Formats: sequence, structure tokens, C-alpha cells
Amino acid sequence: DTAVSQTPKYLVTQMGNDKSIKCEQNLGHDTMYWYKQDSKKFLKIMFSYNNKELIINETVPNRFSPKSPDKAHLNLHINSLELGDSAVYFCASSQVGRDSPLHFGNGTRLTVT
Amino acid sequence: GNSVTQMEGPVTLSEEAFLTINCTYTATGYPSLFWYVQYPGEGLQLLLKATKADDKGSNKGFEATYRKETTSFHLEKGSVQVSDSAVYFCALPTGGGNKLTFGTGTQLKVEL
Repeated sequence: DTAVSQTPKYLVTQMGNDKSIKCEQNLGHDTMYWYKQDSKKFLKIMFSYNNKELIINETVPNRFSPKSPDKAHLNLHINSLELGDSAVYFCASSQVGRDSPLHFGNGTRLTVT
Repeated sequence: GNSVTQMEGPVTLSEEAFLTINCTYTATGYPSLFWYVQYPGEGLQLLLKATKADDKGSNKGFEATYRKETTSFHLEKGSVQVSDSAVYFCALPTGGGNKLTFGTGTQLKVEL
């Protein structure tokens, strides 16, 4: 009965490869997000979708492409991986509204070698 | 734009000690303020929130009061436990689209 689940939990890959991270939420929320957390725990928003529509697109290299096939899923595809992409990527969801809390998945630790 | 600044860690305390983690904000108007907690190996989860000035948010023995005079939202707990060891993030909405901006996080370690 996990609320926000993302797979895989760990992803180790080489530079130049393409990889995807999947996220699903069963909370009935309309809004989903991708956040990146670096090694110092700094958390930065990357993208946000509301009902399958992209509403936040921060300054992220265009090698990163989110896709939302329906409002319960938000996937992240990364092309041509670089060493600097190594981080923990968190998916989150929330209801619409600025006071609505975010519900986070447990993260995907990406290591690029 | 809106932003938060929180004290750097790590903070190391003995069990049953008093905890304060400082957070100050810069904002247009009076947005809601949040504290999130991240336990090891997990995602963040909401700890408490306050939606207007002078509100006090509380949960699991933690409290924070929204003080507009000092633009602060400090997190406090009277007696910490080993299980409180985690990273704590102050946050507030910035811009549109439910965007939440987080502070840099403060790592708390509680020892026996």
C-alpha cells in the first residue's frame, strides 16, 4: 500500500548511457514532481506536472525528459548520463493548493561511473 | 523570490536534551511555512506546518511558531530521542504551481 513508489531504488551506470526512473502514486493526487538531492542533502525541484501537464520546468539540462502517461505516473528519462548526474532523485505528489503537503517516494540513488 | 535559511549542521545532542533548529525566511506576503523530516534511507515527510503569522505547528513533540516580527520559524523539541536522528528541512512555497523551496537541511544526531 505504498503511497509514492519509485523504481529502481539503486541505479549504477556508466557515462553516456541512457536510463529511466519510474514513479507511481496511489493517493489520487493531481500534481507530481521530481526533485534532485545532492551529496550535501541539498534538494532542488526539477519538474512538476499537474494532471499530465508540465507546469514547472526548472533550469535542467534537456538531457532530462519527464513523461506523464497519466496523472498517477511520472517517469524521468535521462540521456547521455554524466558524472554530475549522480544524486538521489525523489518523486513526490500532492493535491493542488499551496498548503498541500508533498508526499515523497523513498528515492532512487543514481551513480554514474 | 521567497527563500529560507536554516542553521548548518550537524547537530549532535544527548537523549532528552532540548532541540532548536533555526529557520528564517524571506517572503512576499505571508506564505505557509513547513518543516519536513528525512529519516535515513527515506524520502522527506511533512513534520508540521503553519499557515499564518502567530500560528504554531506541532507534531510528535516538535513545535514551530510562525513569527513575522523576526521572520522566523524555528523548530523546537523539549526532549529528543535517538529515533529523532534525521535531517530536518524548513520550506516555503515559491512561485506558482505548488513549487516548494527547501532550506539546506540540518542533520540531527541524538546519542544515548
